[in-house]
Amino acid sequence: EPEVTQTPSHQVTQMGQEVILRCVPISNHLYFYWYRQILGQKVEFLVSFYNNEISEKSEIFDDQFSVERPDGSNFTLKIRSTKLEDSAMYFCASSILAGRGETQYFGPGTRLLVL
Amino acid sequence: KQEVTQIPAALSVPEGENLVLNCSFTDSAIYNLQWFRQDPGKGLTSLLLIQSSQREQTSGRLNASLDKSSGRSTLYIAASQPGDSATYLCAVPSNDYKLSFGAGTTVTVRA
Repeated sequence: EPEVTQTPSHQVTQMGQEVILRCVPISNHLYFYWYRQILGQKVEFLVSFYNNEISEKSEIFDDQFSVERPDGSNFTLKIRSTKLEDSAMYFCASSILAGRGETQYFGPGTRLLVL
Repeated sequence: KQEVTQIPAALSVPEGENLVLNCSFTDSAIYNLQWFRQDPGKGLTSLLLIQSSQREQTSGRLNASLDKSSGRSTLYIAASQPGDSATYLCAVPSNDYKLSFGAGTTVTVRA
């Protein structure tokens, strides 16, 4: 069964450094998402992406964040200058189409620790 | 704005007992509701997706019910096992793109 994959599974970085989290969505899916979960808190929506454009973003997704589909398979989340509070589990998801009836399929997550 | 609440926050039961996990949402205009399992420090495993036109969805020992009008869903896990110990999350679409998650119910099944 096709799966969303994410790399790396864990990343440790120093405050102020840039990190890139990578995701490979399911191959025939057109919509891609990033969510995050700070330890002990709810999973929160960050951004959705379609046709090389952001379709929606949350208030968390400020100028330090960016997303890109650099080729036909990868979808990346870049955090430009990491802060301590960026430490979280980051989940990528994809869906065939958008819409409230569509199922989003989640990857295993990348645990980011900012020191 | 869609708000999702899960009660209780934690639950501990002896092995063999049935589990009942509750999820409530404020905007009843949902198209579906999804239940996930999350093991400590791990990702999200989708358990069941129940469409708004359905009242129940079953998978093995798991059964999810949905009452849109009252804004509630219940996940039943029959004959619990220690391997069922995990956090269970529910999520509903807030709009075309965004899922809103509950905080989860952490289940411990004692052998």
